[in-house]
Amino acid sequence: GAGVSQSPRYKVAKRGQDVALRCDPISGHVSLFWYQQALGQGPEFLTYFQNEAQLDKSGLPSDRFFAERPEGSVSTLKIQRTQQEDSAVYLCASSLSSPSSYNSPLHFGNGTRLTVT
Amino acid sequence: AQKVTQAQTEISVVEKEDVTLDCVYETRDTTYYLFWYKQPPSGELVFLIRRNSFDEQNEISGRYSWNFQKSTSSFNFTITASQVVDSAVYFCALSEAGGYQKVTFGTGTKLQVIP
Repeated sequence: GAGVSQSPRYKVAKRGQDVALRCDPISGHVSLFWYQQALGQGPEFLTYFQNEAQLDKSGLPSDRFFAERPEGSVSTLKIQRTQQEDSAVYLCASSLSSPSSYNSPLHFGNGTRLTVT
Repeated sequence: AQKVTQAQTEISVVEKEDVTLDCVYETRDTTYYLFWYKQPPSGELVFLIRRNSFDEQNEISGRYSWNFQKSTSSFNFTITASQVVDSAVYFCALSEAGGYQKVTFGTGTKLQVIP
């Protein structure tokens, strides 16, 4: 059925505000990724979940960034005390892959464009 | 560390021309995957192709073809008889074959096809 769904599509936040970005992956997809895409750049890895477990958060830029996927489906990326440098498109991707299975391609959502003023 | 380089920032071609997008990669892994994604103005990244590092056969899919050369660490993408709908940003990407497929993207090539 449906692809990866992200909301909101656009978010404007004043510097210092907290924001929460939502990702609904494709049903049944084990793996979920968050990427950050700055203007004119390629996506950069932020964090990875296998079901509800966050196995890699090495790409999170600071401790103001926090992600969760409590029931192994929907995920939320939270940014606290937003700064102007956080302005970017935040992309969510999911795939069937787990370490024991053949790698399947990532399916991306349309992203959330965050602008911090 | 993995790295993907797309030296062409922007390319403009006239409709029906052929165009090749270059991609050069670096990795210490002996087994890896290479990808191309298309990002139209809507923003969604659309998967185009994945190649395993063991498979150097070139691939053709309609007007698209890919040339994988391990000797030069390149994975170039050619669009034949380009169309206006091909206008987009194209990303080359790389991931290790094991584990959970942490993908490293290039900076992208913006292709504009002029009618």
